[in-house]
Amino acid sequence: GIQVEQSPPDLILQEGANSTLRCNFSDSVNNLQWFHQNPWGQLINLFYIPSGTKQNGRLSATTVATERYSLLYISSSQTTDSGVYFCAVVRRGGSEKLVFGKGTKLTVNP
Amino acid sequence: GAVVSQHPSWVICKSGTSVKIECRSLDFQATTMFWYRQFPKQSLMLMATSNEGSKATYEQGVEKDKFLINHASLTLSTLTVTSAHPEDSSFYICSALKGGNTDTQYFGPGTRLTVL
Repeated sequence: GIQVEQSPPDLILQEGANSTLRCNFSDSVNNLQWFHQNPWGQLINLFYIPSGTKQNGRLSATTVATERYSLLYISSSQTTDSGVYFCAVVRRGGSEKLVFGKGTKLTVNP
Repeated sequence: GAVVSQHPSWVICKSGTSVKIECRSLDFQATTMFWYRQFPKQSLMLMATSNEGSKATYEQGVEKDKFLINHASLTLSTLTVTSAHPEDSSFYICSALKGGNTDTQYFGPGTRLTVL
């Protein structure tokens, strides 16, 4: 099956810093989503981005489908950005099943 | 919007009992829902795909007789953990597939199950 690798596994920042999270995938995809799992376990949709670039406030994401990677940018980080960020993909030609990476745990310190 | 709810949010039960978890799409219809399991500090593991009006499709290694899934309407799927044991303790999360131009999955808030 398709492999999804996220890096770094852990990231510690001071409030106000910027960061880049990476997601590599091993096959062509129809769907790529970025999620933020908050400390209570809720998965929050950040982006649906199988290709191209999107921005939403302090967050932006870019997926280069031909090179099989996606990047999530967090600017001016805040303590509320802490949590685990997951990348998940649906393989092209496969079912609708999302395959998750192992996540990046982000800690933003005040 | 695309809101998915789960009930209950947490449950504690005795070993041997059965527990039912409900997943509802509140503002859209979902012919397909998914059930995931997440252990502490790990990623989400897909358990099964639930299709309205038909049998669920289980992932390899998931016991279909232990984890009963019913998707009786376009807004409701249920997961019943039968004869629960302590090793079934976990965080169970459902998602609903919202179609249209983008097939995006929206997730419920999860149910934390503790089996004593």
